[in-house]
Amino acid sequence: NAGVMQNPRHLVRRRGQEARLRCSPMKGHSHVYWYRQLPEEGLKFMVYLQKENIIDESGMPKERFSAEFPKEGPSILRIQQVVRGDSAAYFCASSERNTEAFFGQGTRLTVV
Amino acid sequence: KNEVEQSPQNLTAQEGEFITINCSYSVGISALHWLQQHPGGGIVSLFMLSSGKKKHGRLIATINIQEKHSSLHITASHPRDSAVYICAVGFFGNEKLTFGTGTRLTIIP
Repeated sequence: NAGVMQNPRHLVRRRGQEARLRCSPMKGHSHVYWYRQLPEEGLKFMVYLQKENIIDESGMPKERFSAEFPKEGPSILRIQQVVRGDSAAYFCASSERNTEAFFGQGTRLTVV
Repeated sequence: KNEVEQSPQNLTAQEGEFITINCSYSVGISALHWLQQHPGGGIVSLFMLSSGKKKHGRLIATINIQEKHSSLHITASHPRDSAVYICAVGFFGNEKLTFGTGTRLTIIP
């Protein structure tokens, strides 16, 4: 049973490009969470999704950021027109309801 | 406002020492998590607690619901324990985690 799989591990984008981060939850998990860790800062919640539904997106920036978790396939965090301030580590976690959350290895986004 | 406080922020100890990291939170929670993160690495879930005490190898986690406080202990510390330890809480009716700022632990051989 593979753990939470995130790819790519490292992503470099130029300012103005789009970044797509993927997260495959653990088998049997239907809850996915995205968190962001800015350099030298703590982890912050971005969005909570279940299959085909966004449950809580209170931590998502209002513009350029979107997330989805389709019926088939991984969850995608999409950042349009990236800026240098988007450079961070993005972590995905998955769980079942009220159970332990398991984290992926993260995607380290660098905007140049 | 939900708030999670960790102490100390940084901790350096000699190999073999007993380590304690503390976490306090401000409102009622449904569960508390202890996480480990190595430099440049992913996040590993160590414990999920809603009451009492859990032990895994040299790691022990306790929680006092009334005092809104949890501790993570490491016995017989080893240099490979060097990492950032993060406390995170889930609040009733709210599935997302709120994180402390982490404790950077360095164990010197």
